[in-house]
Amino acid sequence: NAGVMQNPRHLVRRRGQEARLRCSPMKGHSHVYWYRQLPEEGLKFMVYLQKENIIDESGMPKERFSAEFPKEGPSILRIQQVVRGDSAAYFCASSREANTGELFFGEGSRLTVL
Amino acid sequence: AQKVTQAQTEISVVEKEDVTLDCVYETRDTTYYLFWYKQPPSGELVFLIRRNSFDEQNEISGRYSWNFQKSTSSFNFTITASQVVDSAVYFCALSEWNKAAGNKLTFGGGTRVLVKP
Repeated sequence: NAGVMQNPRHLVRRRGQEARLRCSPMKGHSHVYWYRQLPEEGLKFMVYLQKENIIDESGMPKERFSAEFPKEGPSILRIQQVVRGDSAAYFCASSREANTGELFFGEGSRLTVL
Repeated sequence: AQKVTQAQTEISVVEKEDVTLDCVYETRDTTYYLFWYKQPPSGELVFLIRRNSFDEQNEISGRYSWNFQKSTSSFNFTITASQVVDSAVYFCALSEWNKAAGNKLTFGGGTRVLVKP
């Protein structure tokens, strides 16, 4: 049973480009969470999605960031017009149900903005 | 709002010493989950333990043990007889117990543990 798969593991972008990070949850999981870890900091919640719905985006920056979890395919975290401050590790997690405390993390995608 | 505080930013020990990592949390919820994760230098997050707020029993798993004190809102983690492989950043986290929140976690800032041979 494959775990949460994130790709790419490493992504380099120049300022102004777009970054797309993908997350395939574990089989049977319909809840996805994105977290951001800035260098030398803890993880901060960004967004919680269920299939085709954004449940909680209270941690998402107001501009340039968007997330989706379509009916088919992986969840996508999209960052438009990246800036150096977007350089971070982005972790995805999934769960089968809400509110179970059972959360499984991917290995993270590390974005570097030059 | 929920908050998790890990006051120790970095701890350095010599191999075989014990090390205790402090975690203090704030929440208005009466029911919640607490977690510890390990982040080794390779960067992935390794799940160590989940504890629900109803269960105040301390837990031991090999060289790891956890002390949950609801009265002081603390969930401390001890590594006994530390080894070099324990060198990592350790995160304490808290999640609400309500469906609207899903399994959204609030993380502490982490404690970096350096175990020297």
